[in-house]
Amino acid sequence: GAVVSQHPSRVICKSGTSVKIECRSLDFQATTMFWYRQFPKQSLMLMATSNEGSKATYEQGVEKDKFLINHASLTLSTLTVTSAHPEDSSFYICSAPPPGATEQYFGPGTRLTVT
Amino acid sequence: GIQVEQSPPDLILQEGANSTLRCNFSDSVNNLQWFHQNPWGQLINLFYIPSGTKQNGRLSATTVATERYSLLYISSSQTTDSGVYFCAVAYSGGGADGLTFGKGTHLIIQP
Repeated sequence: GAVVSQHPSRVICKSGTSVKIECRSLDFQATTMFWYRQFPKQSLMLMATSNEGSKATYEQGVEKDKFLINHASLTLSTLTVTSAHPEDSSFYICSAPPPGATEQYFGPGTRLTVT
Repeated sequence: GIQVEQSPPDLILQEGANSTLRCNFSDSVNNLQWFHQNPWGQLINLFYIPSGTKQNGRLSATTVATERYSLLYISSSQTTDSGVYFCAVAYSGGGADGLTFGKGTHLIIQP
């Protein structure tokens, strides 16, 4: 299957700072990537669709100014959590569908803790 | 949007037992995937199955699209099968849409 990586795997930051999370497709090019968040013992919720070369599309209720998404190349999408607060602490996971593939593949996730 | 319901929410079994996990969805979909989330959070692709039946070793899945449900079967369970199993769907096939996830089934296999 296709390989998707994320960096960092775990990050702790202080309240008010910004954190950048990277999602990379390692063996294919992805014009579209997706960002999800998962609270402890809960399901995954789609946050936004990242489109290479254009603006991201955000799901209802997701603050676009807090969660900045940049899809700078066909293999890299970044999610920046701006002015992080403890309630932003969560597990953030990205996915990418390989071109022509029927299914989506997920990165290993990034656990963000805001103190 | 699409609603996805999974049952049971929790399941505890002895090693060697068989299990059936169910996923009901509220609308016609062209993408349905089953995942296993391991203790480290990684989502492992099990099946892409918007319709029909597939088998992979001890796991098999069946989706009856006309009745809007899918079943995941695990036979001869092993302790390594423990974890959360998610069903996720989308209107469009492939990568056009993000996935809508059910709340998952938390499976514990006891030795």
